[in-house]
Amino acid sequence: DAGVTQSPTHLIKTRGQQVTLRCSPKSGHDTVSWYQQALGQGPQFIFQYYEEEERQRGNFPDRFSGHQFPNYSSELNVNALLLGDSALYLCASSHWGGQGASAQHFGDGTRLSIL
Amino acid sequence: SQKIEQNSEALNIQEGKTATLTCNYTNYSPAYLQWYRQDPGRGPVFLLLIRENEKEKRKERLKVTFDTTLKQSLFHITASQPADSATYLCALHTGTASKLTFGTGTRLQVTL
Repeated sequence: DAGVTQSPTHLIKTRGQQVTLRCSPKSGHDTVSWYQQALGQGPQFIFQYYEEEERQRGNFPDRFSGHQFPNYSSELNVNALLLGDSALYLCASSHWGGQGASAQHFGDGTRLSIL
Repeated sequence: SQKIEQNSEALNIQEGKTATLTCNYTNYSPAYLQWYRQDPGRGPVFLLLIRENEKEKRKERLKVTFDTTLKQSLFHITASQPADSATYLCALHTGTASKLTFGTGTRLQVTL
């Protein structure tokens, strides 16, 4: 049973470019959340998708956008990259509902470096 | 302002001892609190979830307590082993859906 898979594992971009990161949730999960983790910090919530709609959003600018597909996989897009966007981007999947009392299953992330 | 505080300094303990990690929060009213383990270069791995009406939760060598009056959770690993060395993150869940707000994590180092 495959867990959460993310691609690519590493990515190097320059300022001003755009990037797309991809995530396939754990089998049976229908909800995908994205987090940004800077070095030495805890993950910060970017947004969450369920039924192909953004359900919640953290304190991130509109340069961060996403999408969820009918097979529950998801993409995170970041436009006009800044140096401060360098981080580990984590995808987590879970079951929707139950008032959120569900464990998040994380992938191993995409390490994004901005030059 | 809202804050989740975990000891930023690494915790070094000897194998076989009990490790106790602290998570304090302010200006939150979490319905649930979760603990995760994160190894270098890997994503967090879920360990335990405790609800606001539960005082204590156990799983094998792990124990979590949740004191909503003190606004604090304690995470214990008994009979610690070098393989327990990792960063441990606490995360609060507030409101609906599955959004989590994480602390900065505490690095645990278990030595022989």
